Amino acid sequence: QKEVEQNSGPLSVPEGAIASLNCTYSDRVSQSFFWYRQYSGKSPELIMSIYSNGDKEDGRFTAQLNKASQYVSLLIRDSQPSDSATYLCAVMGSARQLTFGSGTQLTVLP
Amino acid sequence: DTGVSQDPRHKITKRGQNVTFRCDPISEHNRLYWYRQTLGQGPEFLTYFQNEAQLEKSRLLSDRFSAERPKGSFSTLEIQRTEQGDSAMYLCASEEGPEAFFGQGTRLTVV
Repeated sequence: QKEVEQNSGPLSVPEGAIASLNCTYSDRVSQSFFWYRQYSGKSPELIMSIYSNGDKEDGRFTAQLNKASQYVSLLIRDSQPSDSATYLCAVMGSARQLTFGSGTQLTVLP
Repeated sequence: DTGVSQDPRHKITKRGQNVTFRCDPISEHNRLYWYRQTLGQGPEFLTYFQNEAQLEKSRLLSDRFSAERPKGSFSTLEIQRTEQGDSAMYLCASEEGPEAFFGQGTRLTVV
């Protein structure tokens, strides 16, 4: 079992819709959770961090964390074609390094 | 530009040659990380530094790989006797607090 799992997609949504990206993790002592956006050929860009159970909103992005279920999600409201990218879920456990999922490729159709 | 800077952006080398990459972190960040990313995968941790001390190395980091961070500022990652399997994007990140920020990466192609 991979430590961080994401649906690889691809996920396609129409412009203006809500895109929902999901991630599960195996290490129960994980404390910090992140979503990175990666455009093709570019490096990952941090877009959201979340550390406690519940929702965290930042503009069109909402991160949700449920530590009991070991589940993290990212909602993108009013999706735009410029949101088309691979979204990487990353988890930091007791060790300092990030463990990444394989990413979900999102395409927003105009 | 005050972000993480990596050099070179691209490197093509022949199998068996040595290569060295450089990373300049965000100046006030004490922690510096190296990751490797292959196509279709998320980045994989290689090693990290707290100031000049190398605190952790992944089992992915074979003895052909060495990293340094003299004086706790920039860092170098050297790969000796490169193999085709070393072809990947090498990413550097710096962190202060739990949030890590990545440089543009160095794409290595071993031919």
